[in-house]
Amino acid sequence: GAGVSQSPSNKVTEKGKDVELRCDPISGHTALYWYRQSLGQGLEFLIYFQGNSAPDKSGLPSDRFSAERTGGSVSTLTIQRTQQEDSAVYLCASSLNRNYEQYFGPGTRLTVT
Amino acid sequence: GESVGLHLPTLSVQEGDNSIINCAYSNSASDYFIWYKQESGKGPQFIIDIRSNMDKRQGQRVTVLLNKTVKHLSLQIAATQPGDSAVYFCAENRGSGNTGKLIFGQGTTLQVKP
Repeated sequence: GAGVSQSPSNKVTEKGKDVELRCDPISGHTALYWYRQSLGQGLEFLIYFQGNSAPDKSGLPSDRFSAERTGGSVSTLTIQRTQQEDSAVYLCASSLNRNYEQYFGPGTRLTVT
Repeated sequence: GESVGLHLPTLSVQEGDNSIINCAYSNSASDYFIWYKQESGKGPQFIIDIRSNMDKRQGQRVTVLLNKTVKHLSLQIAATQPGDSAVYFCAENRGSGNTGKLIFGQGTTLQVKP
């Protein structure tokens, strides 16, 4: 079956521009997560959506980062006024519910020049 | 502090040998642990998980051991194959009332020598 998909796979942007990253979770999964992975590092939690509950935004590094999940399915991560330190791979995951295994997408590699 | 750590950044094993990758965690309230495998250019792939009411769980060629007394987690891979070469991450989930977010370790690179 279809897994988690993300788009674009690669994004190069100039410093100061806004970017939007998209995640399509596995159908029927109520939980959706965004993580960030810098080169050679582990994954850093950003934000979590569970059904209609208020999202857990505790991992967002600054107010330049925001995310939405429309209709309980597709999610968009927006980074405003990008900085070079935002360069990383942004990974999306979904799970049937919290405390179940999370299935990851292939990620979006963001490069801020 | 909030951290999940791995004891070795790189592990090199001979094809056919068994591999053991270790992980230490710091939060005794964590109740769910997962091992992920990440190949170059791909997202992490679920390998095996274990809940805190267990101390051992087996999958196909993999075994996860959990020692809550010393807050230690290990992944054992039997008869390691070249296709097992990847970065392995342990992750923990922080107990009841949490939101399901995972705290990841830094990763151990497994290199399988033919």
